[in-house]
Amino acid sequence: EIVLTQSPGTLSLSPGERATLSCRASQSVSSSFLAWYQQKPGQAPRLLIHGASSRATGIPDRFSGSGSGTDFTLTISRLEPEDFAVYYCQQYGSSSIFTFGPGTKVDIK
Amino acid sequence: QVQLQESGPGLVKPSQTLSLTCSVSGGSISSNTYYWSWIRQPAGKGLEWIGRIYNSGSTNYNPSLKSRVTISVDTSTNQFSLKLSSMTAADTAVYYCARGRAVRGYFDYWGQGTLVTVSS
Repeated sequence: EIVLTQSPGTLSLSPGERATLSCRASQSVSSSFLAWYQQKPGQAPRLLIHGASSRATGIPDRFSGSGSGTDFTLTISRLEPEDFAVYYCQQYGSSSIFTFGPGTKVDIK
Repeated sequence: QVQLQESGPGLVKPSQTLSLTCSVSGGSISSNTYYWSWIRQPAGKGLEWIGRIYNSGSTNYNPSLKSRVTISVDTSTNQFSLKLSSMTAADTAVYYCARGRAVRGYFDYWGQGTLVTVSS
């Protein structure tokens, strides 16, 4: 089973700053099967990025994804007040198993 | 707009079986483009995938839960369901149903979630 590790656990930033979130896999992950989600308190997760770098429908272009193999990154170019939330990466593996990372919380500095 | 809605008991006794249903509206559960999943989240913790089902009835389960999980689909009612047996306090969580894109490996629509508490 592929294990995802996310860093940092918490990222404290100010609105307007750039956020860089990391997701590392214990084994190589197909870029086609790496996704990122945003979750706010009391809400379901929302799909941001699929295929490592493709923005989901309606997602602002300040969100971007990159990476391959075992290292993936979610970047928020300029944080808006509504972007403070928890972010999860997720992979789908050849054994038909889905796993999520533990999450990175982006909070207001 | 696709919508998913979980329903079921909010309180389950230890050792009992949890039964939840997800009602899908705004789209057909019979589409071959999608699969249908259950995902849970204990309070203050991360997301755990439970399993998925295709409209054909084909399933995949999380190995850590496989012995206790059954997911089924009813195309006539546009619903799919989760049964989780031998519930313990460790199964207390918000349970989400979600739609996944076939061949793509991601979840594009989620239900609002339902809190299930295991307590006597």
